[in-house]
Amino acid sequence: QQQVKQSPQSLIVQKGGISIINCAYENTAFDYFPWYQQFPGKGPALLIAIRPDVSEKKEGRFTISFNKSAKQFSLHIMDSQPGDSATYFCAADANFGNEKLTFGTGTRLTIIP
Amino acid sequence: DVKVTQSSRYLVKRTGEKVFLECVQDMDHENMFWYRQDPGLGLRLIYFSYDVKMKEKGDIPEGYSVSREKKERFSLILESASTNQTSMYLCASSSTSGWEQYFGPGTRLTVT
Repeated sequence: QQQVKQSPQSLIVQKGGISIINCAYENTAFDYFPWYQQFPGKGPALLIAIRPDVSEKKEGRFTISFNKSAKQFSLHIMDSQPGDSATYFCAADANFGNEKLTFGTGTRLTIIP
Repeated sequence: DVKVTQSSRYLVKRTGEKVFLECVQDMDHENMFWYRQDPGLGLRLIYFSYDVKMKEKGDIPEGYSVSREKKERFSLILESASTNQTSMYLCASSSTSGWEQYFGPGTRLTVT
């Protein structure tokens, strides 16, 4: 049973554009929502994370928007650059990340010049 | 820098062989995890461990076992490899006082 649904599976965005990746969850016990970024040949690495007590978190060009009532959260990449081309995974966890993460299926993002 | 290393980047084994995948972390983390990554399925948790000699099943433990004899080392064992276990295997670690999981570079296992 997939508890975190991620879309789209792949995304192509022009350089300078906004990349948007969406995730939805079912388990209302989730209280920690990280995004991981994975480059080819590397393991995933934490990009940005949010807790449900805030609706938005921004770090540089990366923003997480969180809608608790809809049980949805999204990653926005502003001014997308070719170096942002990677696979992005959303995830969710209960107990503030101190236990196992449930990952989405991933989005392969390609930024074209 | 946190470092999680995995014993092999690429591995080719035959059906029925016993396979060991080793993972070592150098940050004294309590938690360690094994995932497999398959296209369209994301990362799925196989097993995790909160402490030495402790282990808990993840979402897809069938066909796998684990061993954690030392805090820094977590091994994944395929008792009798099958072709449907061909995949990318990722190890991760985290601290109980933190929340970030640190991943190794992965082992791409092919079972023929």
